[in-house]
Amino acid sequence: QKEVEQNSGPLSVPEGAIASLNCTYSDRGSQSFFWYRQYSGKSPELIMFIYSNGDKEDGRFTAQLNKASQYVSLLIRDSQPSDSATYLCAVMDGGYSTLTFGKGTMLLVSP
Amino acid sequence: NAGVTQTPKFQVLKTGQSMTLQCAQDMNHNSMYWYRQDPGMGLRLIYYSASEGTTDKGEVPNGYNVSRLNKREFSLRLESAAPSQTSVYFCASSEKDTQYFGPGTRLTVL
Repeated sequence: QKEVEQNSGPLSVPEGAIASLNCTYSDRGSQSFFWYRQYSGKSPELIMFIYSNGDKEDGRFTAQLNKASQYVSLLIRDSQPSDSATYLCAVMDGGYSTLTFGKGTMLLVSP
Repeated sequence: NAGVTQTPKFQVLKTGQSMTLQCAQDMNHNSMYWYRQDPGMGLRLIYYSASEGTTDKGEVPNGYNVSRLNKREFSLRLESAAPSQTSVYFCASSEKDTQYFGPGTRLTVL
């Protein structure tokens, strides 16, 4: 059984701070890693994906991947109240492209 | 482009009733998926279709059937609804890795 683990939170940060969201996965054969954001009552939307070890930056978001440690993280710089949502980590295996999702971490950004 | 659309948005069923959830995408994607999302359980894959004419079971297929009607449409059927199937159902489609989600159907089974 492939597992993707996330701290359920909530993670509370003040506006302007850096929010750090973490995810570990069990399948060493995993090839692709995704972060989705889900506002309450809405559907998940893709924020970032990362395939290679290291960092990938997109605006205020940075995804970090360490395959040796089976660890993925998402950093949100200059956090805004509009970033308050649940962040889902998802992992795709090396075979056919199905995703395994973590249960999500709720982020609360206070003004 | 509407992206991924789902109908209905809300549905209440009685135990034992049947219904079909509809999903359509206009992005010409080959792959389509059905997930359910329950509090504290995250998103779990029910069935998926890698291409028109193929379907495969996901993590939680029991109690469900699917039909890939054509490249655009992928339906999910509950033959005899049970209270344990109360959930929010999301359809998604993808080309390669990125999945795009529909708005969801909130289903309550009494």
